[in-house]
Amino acid sequence: DVVMTQSPLSLPVTLGQSASISCRSSESLVYSDGNSYVIWFQQRPGQSPRRLINKASDREFGVPDRFSGSGSGIDFTLKISRVEAEDVGVYYCMQGSRWPWTFGQGTKVEIK
Amino acid sequence: EVQLVESGGGLVQPGEALRLSCAASGFTLITSDMNWVRQAPGKGLEWISFISGATGATYYADSVKGRFTISRDSAKNSLYLQMNSLRGEDTGVYYCSQDKFAAWGQGTLVTVSS
Repeated sequence: DVVMTQSPLSLPVTLGQSASISCRSSESLVYSDGNSYVIWFQQRPGQSPRRLINKASDREFGVPDRFSGSGSGIDFTLKISRVEAEDVGVYYCMQGSRWPWTFGQGTKVEIK
Repeated sequence: EVQLVESGGGLVQPGEALRLSCAASGFTLITSDMNWVRQAPGKGLEWISFISGATGATYYADSVKGRFTISRDSAKNSLYLQMNSLRGEDTGVYYCSQDKFAAWGQGTLVTVSS
């Protein structure tokens, strides 16, 4: 199975500063169509997950442009610019290129 | 508006069975890719099952293969997860999710304990 390794697992951030979460896969996630099917999710406390980024870099409609995704192959990054209080929660990467689909462990973002 | 509402969770003993339902509205479920994802208490997300809207093909995580079955009912516009031979490690909140996880339900809690 593909292992998705996130770092860091805990990320204290100052309001207004940027935050970056890394997700590294144990094998290339480039699919036969050239896309890397990596999804980033946000899960706020007590809520269901919410998709932020699809196909590594496609921001979901309605997601603030402070959120951006990048990467291809095995290395992927979620960046949050100008962190706001509402960004507190756990962020997960997930790969949908290889069966079985697998999630990263999650990165907890909190305000310093 | 897409809505997903899970139901059927509860407390069961190890070895027992349970069937979860996910009622969909705002879209035609049978033509959509659908997933079940679970989350153990205080833990991360685990993908467990997928059914293709186009072909009906199904896929499962190794942890549930042979014990869980995903299915759907077009007349009821609903998704199901039949869970047999339940174990303590199956405890958690179960979510249904649509179309590469664009929409999620609120989840239903399954507790497996004697």
